[in-house]
Amino acid sequence: ETGVTQSPTHLIKTRGQQVTLRCSSQSGHNTVSWYQQALGQGPQFIFQYYREEENGRGNFPPRFSGLQFPNYSSELNVNALELDDSALYLCASSLAVSGANYGYTFGSGTRLTVV
Amino acid sequence: LAKTTQPISMDSYEGQEVNITCSHNNIATNDYITWYQQFPSQGPRFIIQGYKTKVTNEVASLFIPADRKSSTLSLPRVSLSDTAVYYCLVGDVRDDKIIFGKGTRFHILP
Repeated sequence: ETGVTQSPTHLIKTRGQQVTLRCSSQSGHNTVSWYQQALGQGPQFIFQYYREEENGRGNFPPRFSGLQFPNYSSELNVNALELDDSALYLCASSLAVSGANYGYTFGSGTRLTVV
Repeated sequence: LAKTTQPISMDSYEGQEVNITCSHNNIATNDYITWYQQFPSQGPRFIIQGYKTKVTNEVASLFIPADRKSSTLSLPRVSLSDTAVYYCLVGDVRDDKIIFGKGTRFHILP
């Protein structure tokens, strides 16, 4: 059973640019959630995708968007990058069955630095 | 989702047992208590989950009193490899998402 893999592991972007982060979910999982973790803080929920549609969103502006593909992998896109977007971006997959979520598994994250 | 309160940081010497307590006064009937561990530059990792009384696995024990308004994560004989941030989460498995607080930063004293 493969775990959650994220790419790239590190990334440096310039303010105003756009970035795409990728996540492959654990085998057997059908739901992907994205989190932003600033230095010294707990992970903050960005949004979740289930059946290729957004299924819940945290307090993040529309320039944070995502996609889920038929193979349950996912992308997080951030437009018009700001310095405060510098953080560790975590992806977690889980299995949603009959309205319940099981087995949250996190990837190691993508460290994004905006300069 | 029930709000949780846990100490910002804790420390201990190697070989000691460490207990991290989490308060969750407004826990709901369907809520479970889950603890995650996060090492630097890695994603959180599930440690243990419980509903009431005591749960033990190869990593830790979780003690939950009858009123369920708090819980205690117990790490036996800690070592340097236990240096991490520990998060207490309270929620229903039917919840669409899991929400993290600030966690407890644990480190070993020299």
